[in-house]
Amino acid sequence: GAVVSQHPSWVICKSGTSVKIECRSLDFQATTMFWYRQFPKQSLMLMATSNEGSKATYEQGVEKDKFLINHASLTLSTLTVTSAHPEDSSFYICSARRDYSQETQYFGPGTRLLVL
Amino acid sequence: DAKTTQPNSMESNEEEPVHLPCNHSTISGTDYIHWYRQLPSQGPEYVIHGLTSNVNNRMASLAIAEDRKSSTLILHRATLRDAAVYYCILRDPISSGSARQLTFGSGTQLTVLP
Repeated sequence: GAVVSQHPSWVICKSGTSVKIECRSLDFQATTMFWYRQFPKQSLMLMATSNEGSKATYEQGVEKDKFLINHASLTLSTLTVTSAHPEDSSFYICSARRDYSQETQYFGPGTRLLVL
Repeated sequence: DAKTTQPNSMESNEEEPVHLPCNHSTISGTDYIHWYRQLPSQGPEYVIHGLTSNVNNRMASLAIAEDRKSSTLILHRATLRDAAVYYCILRDPISSGSARQLTFGSGTQLTVLP
């Protein structure tokens, strides 16, 4: 199966700082990447969808200026949490899809963010 | 959007088969049925998907009812490593809207007893 990696796997930061999370498709080119957030004991919530070379599409209620997404290449997407606050502490998971018609999404291992 | 209903939790004994049910009574003709699972502190993992016919792969089997209003994920021999939350998700690859996305519900927490 295809492999998606995330870096870092966990991060602790101070309130007010920005944190960048990388998502890479290691053995395939991903035309579309997705960012999810998961709070403890809850399910995954889709934050945004990004297609390579174009602006991300954000889900309702997700602030695009706070969660900056860049999908500059077919193998890399980044999520930057700007001016992080304790309520942003969560498990952030990316996934990637090979092409528009592909049925399967491959998920990364997740990044646990703790904002103090 | 078509939604799915799954039991909150199920238990199984190790080495025995497990049948995880999913109801999707409002499924549309172009919705695929996807199953993913999430082990603790990990990202979801693809298990299987299908449209109308039953499907088998190395991980599991997917049995789809004739009217497509329900499906069952079958793990033939549960192991302790199969303990996870299993998500049944409908996805329409033709839709241009949110139905194309993978929308996760609460899933079924499977506990495997040694």
